[in-house]
Amino acid sequence: DVKVTQSSRYLVKRTGEKVFLECVQDMDHENMFWYRQDPGLGLRLIYFSYDVKMKEKGDIPEGYSVSREKKERFSLILESASTNQTSMYLCASSSRGGSSYNEQFFGPGTRLTVL
Amino acid sequence: DQQVKQNSPSLSVQEGRISILNCDYTNSMFDYFLWYKKYPAEGPTFLISISSIKDKNEDGRFTVFLNKSAKHLSLHIVPSQPGDSAVYFCAASGGESNYQLIWGAGTKLIIKP
Repeated sequence: DVKVTQSSRYLVKRTGEKVFLECVQDMDHENMFWYRQDPGLGLRLIYFSYDVKMKEKGDIPEGYSVSREKKERFSLILESASTNQTSMYLCASSSRGGSSYNEQFFGPGTRLTVL
Repeated sequence: DQQVKQNSPSLSVQEGRISILNCDYTNSMFDYFLWYKKYPAEGPTFLISISSIKDKNEDGRFTVFLNKSAKHLSLHIVPSQPGDSAVYFCAASGGESNYQLIWGAGTKLIIKP
């Protein structure tokens, strides 16, 4: 059974804290993604990675960074958390096979609240 | 400029009736389309997909129709059940999107008993 896991389901942090969100997949996928989901805005891509140590900015990278030291693990870092980063964070992975068949598999999400 | 649009933020349907969720796209290079379903506090799960070489794909109660000339696709759920209440996202890939999926904003489907 394929699986994407995220380190926390719920997280509460204070403004200015450094926050780490971890994501691990066991499908040997090359591609990994971080999204945030806010009501009425759908899924917005923060960063993605198509290989170890490779990263690409998505649509809303400001205030975030990422790290991919191992194929199975993709970390999202909030350098200095702010209240407007309160959101649901979703990690996903996909195989590189076939340019059109880009089905992504998602983790359960982390609901982050920044006070 | 959104390349994938779901113009209905929400839809309410009576249990047992047909639910029709719509999605429009602007990029003619898209060649693969996916529908995902998302419950609150969970990650999206893949529901059904369609390649641009087809105009229909069916899986049980779920059917996706693609009209390439209109750049429009729709998801039909028949009959609708209470467990279908969720947010549905349309996504597209192909062209310059590389490994990414381009997402719509989602439609919240509410099935009334």
